[in-house]
Amino acid sequence: EIVLTQSPGTLSLSPGGRATLSCRASQSVSSGSLAWYQQKPGQAPRLLIYGASSRATGIPDRFSGSGSGADFTLTISRLEPEDFAVYYCQQYGSSPWTFGQGSKVEVK
Amino acid sequence: QVQLQESGPGLVKPSQTLSLTCTVSGDSISNGDYYWSWIRQPPGKGLEWIGYIYYTGSSSSNPSLRGRVMISLDTSKNQFSLKLSSVTAADTAVYYCARGCFGGDCYLDSWGQGTLVTVSS
Repeated sequence: EIVLTQSPGTLSLSPGGRATLSCRASQSVSSGSLAWYQQKPGQAPRLLIYGASSRATGIPDRFSGSGSGADFTLTISRLEPEDFAVYYCQQYGSSPWTFGQGSKVEVK
Repeated sequence: QVQLQESGPGLVKPSQTLSLTCTVSGDSISNGDYYWSWIRQPPGKGLEWIGYIYYTGSSSSNPSLRGRVMISLDTSKNQFSLKLSSVTAADTAVYYCARGCFGGDCYLDSWGQGTLVTVSS
């Protein structure tokens, strides 16, 4: 199975700051089959990015995804108060689908 | 807009079978556009994919669950269900149902709110 390792574990930033989150796979993720989700306390995950770089419906353009092969990045260009949350990457290129352990973006 | 809602017992005894149902509204699980999945999240931990089912009845599950998973569907009720056998405390988690695999791209675009299942005697 493909293991996804996210870094950093926690990122402390101020509103208006720029967040860069990494997701590294143990092997190449086929066809860029990587998604990013946002999860707030007590809520279900919410799809942000699929296909490594395509924004899901209704997702603001301050969220962007990039990468290929085994290295992927989620960037939040200007943090809004509602963006402080935990972010997960998921690969769906090979079974079993797997998730990273999560990166928390917290208020500095 | 599609909505998914999990239901089932919140407490299951060790060695018994956990049973949950996901009711889908705003979309038909029979239209073949999507696969229907279960994902779980132990308290304070990350996400784990459990398995999925397609409207044909074809299903797949995570090998880490060692054959304890059965996923079925009831198209007349627009529901799909999860059974996880021989549960232990390690199966305590919030269980989510979700929709995914549009056009073969298996990201999960809609999720239920989740239901907490505790395994305890």
